[in-house]
Amino acid sequence: AQSVTQLDSQVPVFEEAPVELRCNYSSSVSVYLFWYVQYPNQGLQLLLKYLSGSTLVKGINGFEAEFNKSQTSFHLRKPSVHISDTAEYFCAVNPQGGSEKLVFGKGTKLTVNP
Amino acid sequence: DAGVTQSPTHLIKTRGQQVTLRCSPKSGHDTVSWYQQALGQGPQFIFQYYEEEERQRGNFPDRFSGHQFPNYSSELNVNALLLGDSALYLCASSFFGNQPQHFGDGTRLSIL
Repeated sequence: AQSVTQLDSQVPVFEEAPVELRCNYSSSVSVYLFWYVQYPNQGLQLLLKYLSGSTLVKGINGFEAEFNKSQTSFHLRKPSVHISDTAEYFCAVNPQGGSEKLVFGKGTKLTVNP
Repeated sequence: DAGVTQSPTHLIKTRGQQVTLRCSPKSGHDTVSWYQQALGQGPQFIFQYYEEEERQRGNFPDRFSGHQFPNYSSELNVNALLLGDSALYLCASSFFGNQPQHFGDGTRLSIL
């Protein structure tokens, strides 16, 4: 079975500051990794995904994440945040070659202050 | 290119009632998954449908059932509603065996 731990439930930052949202996972098999963003009263939008290849993955809206297999981590980063980045961010895993269900973390609420 | 659409957007029911939620997948997708997102939590997998059959199920009771139609759209049915069923219900679609899944905006179900 897989599990995901998002280490911070809330992250407040100032506009134009860098941010890192942390995600660790547990799995006995290789996994695919995802970050989704959820704006208020909306569904989930895919930010980026790691399926294979380069461990540094670039996504939409200037976000990127790095897959670290030895640390079983997939932290999300952005060098300079905007007010519009205020949202809930979810890390998710899916086992390769098996179940298609996504297992999500509990989410990190990112609040960007002026 | 239409994305995943869900209806209704909001629903209020009372305990013991039954509810049906609907989902149309993204154009071209053949697989539909349903998730329950309780307030302040991440989404939890309910089940997945492909070729009109339930392919995989999460840890949800039999009160939760579903259906997939030949046009790949899907319904989620919940019987004997409990207060704890209050949540945002998300539908996601994909090509079978492929990632990523694309999500709709969800149906907010409130149980009184």
